[in-house]
Amino acid sequence: KAGVTQTPRYLIKTRGQQVTLSCSPISGHRSVSWYQQTPGQGLQFLFEYFSETQRNKGNFPGRFSGRQFSNSRSEMNVSTLELGDSALYLCASGRQGYGYTFGSGTRLTVV
Amino acid sequence: AQTVTQSQPEMSVQEAETVTLSCTYDTSESDYYLFWYKQPPSRQMILVIRQEAYKQQNATENRFSVNFQKAAKSFSLKISDSQLGDAAMYFCAYKETSGSRLTFGEGTQLTVNP
Repeated sequence: KAGVTQTPRYLIKTRGQQVTLSCSPISGHRSVSWYQQTPGQGLQFLFEYFSETQRNKGNFPGRFSGRQFSNSRSEMNVSTLELGDSALYLCASGRQGYGYTFGSGTRLTVV
Repeated sequence: AQTVTQSQPEMSVQEAETVTLSCTYDTSESDYYLFWYKQPPSRQMILVIRQEAYKQQNATENRFSVNFQKAAKSFSLKISDSQLGDAAMYFCAYKETSGSRLTFGEGTQLTVNP
């Protein structure tokens, strides 16, 4: 079966712009989580969506938001981009306790 | 809050040899899940092995096994017969029984020498 698909793979944006990243989970998985990976902070949890509802949220400013659609696909939005938002953004889908499958990530560069 | 610590930023091993990566964690929960993930240069996080805290038996997956010491809050990964393809960043991760939030350690960069 198809894995977790994230688009786009690479993105370059200018400070102050906004960006939307997309994640399609494995078919049948209703939970989608997002993580930010940076060399300095490591892997940090952003938020989790389950059946179109945000179920959990990490410690990130309100500029980071997300949503989930009825087909479980999820989008993550970052508004008013800052240089520090440059990171690899990873999406994961799975079933509780069984381990989570990650996508290949979106590499966001803010210039 | 739960924390996960990987005290070895880098490790190296000779091909066909055995290497052990260390992980400790802190939690007040009695039941939880622990994972090891591998991240090669392709960036995709790949699940290597999982352990349920209420199970006494250490998990194994082919050449990969864990040493789970619940009282010591230790969860080390042993890779036997190391292969060149095992070279990657390895992350230890903790998850409570509810929700999907994974708490990751800092990672250990494993080099496999031919």
